[in-house]
Amino acid sequence: EVQLVESGGGLVKPGGSLRLSCEASRFTFNNAWMSWVRQAPGKGLEWVGRLKSETEGGATGYGAPVRGRFTISRDDSKTTMFLQMKRLKTEDTAVYYCTTERLGGHDHWGQGTLVIVSS
Amino acid sequence: SYDLTQPPSVSVSPGQTASITCSGDKLGDTYACWYQQKPGQSPVLVIYQDSKRPSGIPERFSGSNSGNTATLTISGTQAMDEADYYCQAWDISTVVFGGGTKLTVL
Repeated sequence: EVQLVESGGGLVKPGGSLRLSCEASRFTFNNAWMSWVRQAPGKGLEWVGRLKSETEGGATGYGAPVRGRFTISRDDSKTTMFLQMKRLKTEDTAVYYCTTERLGGHDHWGQGTLVIVSS
Repeated sequence: SYDLTQPPSVSVSPGQTASITCSGDKLGDTYACWYQQKPGQSPVLVIYQDSKRPSGIPERFSGSNSGNTATLTISGTQAMDEADYYCQAWDISTVVFGGGTKLTVL
């Protein structure tokens, strides 16, 4: 069974930075598209961004609210994806989920890691 | 930006059929998928490519997509199906989620 484990969440002040990690296992990581999806407390799902597989060029894409502030990267040797978040805002407070995109949808999700942006 | 609209809530009696809609401009021209999320849990993909079920998803879950509307149908709804449901599609290369629908089984 695919396993995705997020880490790195916590409390950070507005304007600060944080890096999240997603350690993946039990599937062919270097062929998979990976994404981050977030959910603010009591709210719906919001796509953060995606990283295509290295075999497909490793292109990234981001949702409008985070474009220019967040960066997704991957280390295939460690089967880990990262989300570098800079210039954080209070509205970035959310649970951040790591997902795979392999079936034309987000077919596997991690348990999520909570990021709180507050002074 | 591309928007997907879902009703905030839908109610259904046990054993009956629940239908949850998702509306977007020319939504039928792209694939839609659906997620189920129970309180305190991560979302689960229940329908992809409009009407396909991932392994392990019960047959009572089905989907369709045409025109401007995608529909998730749950036949013979059970108490365990009570959850939030989100539709999702693509706008060029970005991912768009609907606002979510709370399904109540009563």
